[in-house]
Amino acid sequence: AQTIHQWPVAEIKAVGSPLSLGCTIKGKSSPNLYWYWQATGGTLQQLFYSITVGQVESVVQLNLSASRPKDDQFILSTEKLLLSHSGFYLCAWSRRDTGQLYFGEGSKLTVL
Amino acid sequence: GDSVIQMQGQVTLSENDFLFINCTYSTTGYPTLFWYVQYSGEGPQLLLQVTTANNKGSSRGFEATYDKGTTSFHLQKTSVQEIDSAVYYCAMRDSGGSNAKLTFGKGTKLSVKS
Repeated sequence: AQTIHQWPVAEIKAVGSPLSLGCTIKGKSSPNLYWYWQATGGTLQQLFYSITVGQVESVVQLNLSASRPKDDQFILSTEKLLLSHSGFYLCAWSRRDTGQLYFGEGSKLTVL
Repeated sequence: GDSVIQMQGQVTLSENDFLFINCTYSTTGYPTLFWYVQYSGEGPQLLLQVTTANNKGSSRGFEATYDKGTTSFHLQKTSVQEIDSAVYYCAMRDSGGSNAKLTFGKGTKLSVKS
């Protein structure tokens, strides 16, 4: 069975500080990987997707970047956090045949 | 562009009540439609997928259908329980491309009282 693990579970960071969130998927080779963002009480918005190692496509510009250093790993980062970056960050993988998305447990980010 | 509209922001029911949540969608392609459920503090979980108009999908007592004529799809459950309290999202994927980008509705927060 596939498992998806996100870290850290929660972070409280200062405006202007750097951020790195990670995601690892096990049990699935060459998955499509995604980052979604969810404002508190809000809907889900796709940020990035990657279909292979080293390739990442940006969907919206939010002063964030993503990288895929390994087949099973997806990283979300920024050099300088903004207040608007607060929210819930979700990593997901998809089945290529159906497009079904499977989400991790999420990382809650609070920027003060 | 693609859009999904989910009007009901909050629904409060008693146990054994009937649940009905409706979404409408807009796309130029051939959509695949989904329902996701998100419990507090967790990531969303896939609840149902509906790919063929007028065909029902079902899971955990929930049913979903979509009407191509009215470009709407809905989620229903005959008898809700307290454990069903969560946020329910409808979502749509357009047919093409390697990006399984889902367009999500705004979510319906269901509260079930015992």
